Amino acid sequence: LAKTTQPISMDSYEGQEVNITCSHNNIATNDYITWYQQFPSQGPRFIIQGYKTKVTNEVASLFIPADRKSSTLSLPRVSLSDTAVYYCLVGARGTASKLTFGTGTRLQVTL
Amino acid sequence: DAMVIQNPRYQVTQFGKPVTLSCSQTLNHNVMYWYQQKSSQAPKLLFHYYDKDFNNEADTPDNFQSRRPNTSFCFLDIRSPGLGDAAMYLCATSRGLRRDTQYFGPGTRLTVL
Repeated sequence: LAKTTQPISMDSYEGQEVNITCSHNNIATNDYITWYQQFPSQGPRFIIQGYKTKVTNEVASLFIPADRKSSTLSLPRVSLSDTAVYYCLVGARGTASKLTFGTGTRLQVTL
Repeated sequence: DAMVIQNPRYQVTQFGKPVTLSCSQTLNHNVMYWYQQKSSQAPKLLFHYYDKDFNNEADTPDNFQSRRPNTSFCFLDIRSPGLGDAAMYLCATSRGLRRDTQYFGPGTRLTVL
């Protein structure tokens, strides 16, 4: 089971690009990388998922280097409403019970 | 357009008094999960159902049970709540085991007096 390591917290100003890096040194061949966002008193919300290289959607981009031992979630031009905890998860498709949330990164966005 | 609904949002129970939390989904997903999230901690998976097949995590206490009477509903039963069981309980669903994207409900915050 791949363990993930993220910074505990990050601060950013509104309008800046934020990059949150997650380390997963023992990622397995079948593992995908998934990021979730959680606001206080709400359930986590799926942001993005990838296997290698780069994935982009309307919310974020996910950069995964060739060795896949880390990944970076990129949030373009954050706003105050992006203040949340961001979780990086590593797990294999087909093994739902093996998705384990790490400690997460608490992002604080200010004016 | 609520997709994963949890009732109630807030539940207060007494020490040792059984309590049941409810989750329903309108997504027709095969898999339903229950997580426990304590203050300032990450969600921790308790168990999940794939259809009617129940999968318990190894470290989930016996005090926690679950029922899934049909595709849409899943219940979390805490037989004898202790003070340490006070937490947010999150229900989630996914289409199947081939996709890991999980859709979470808003959670039920349980207080144990």
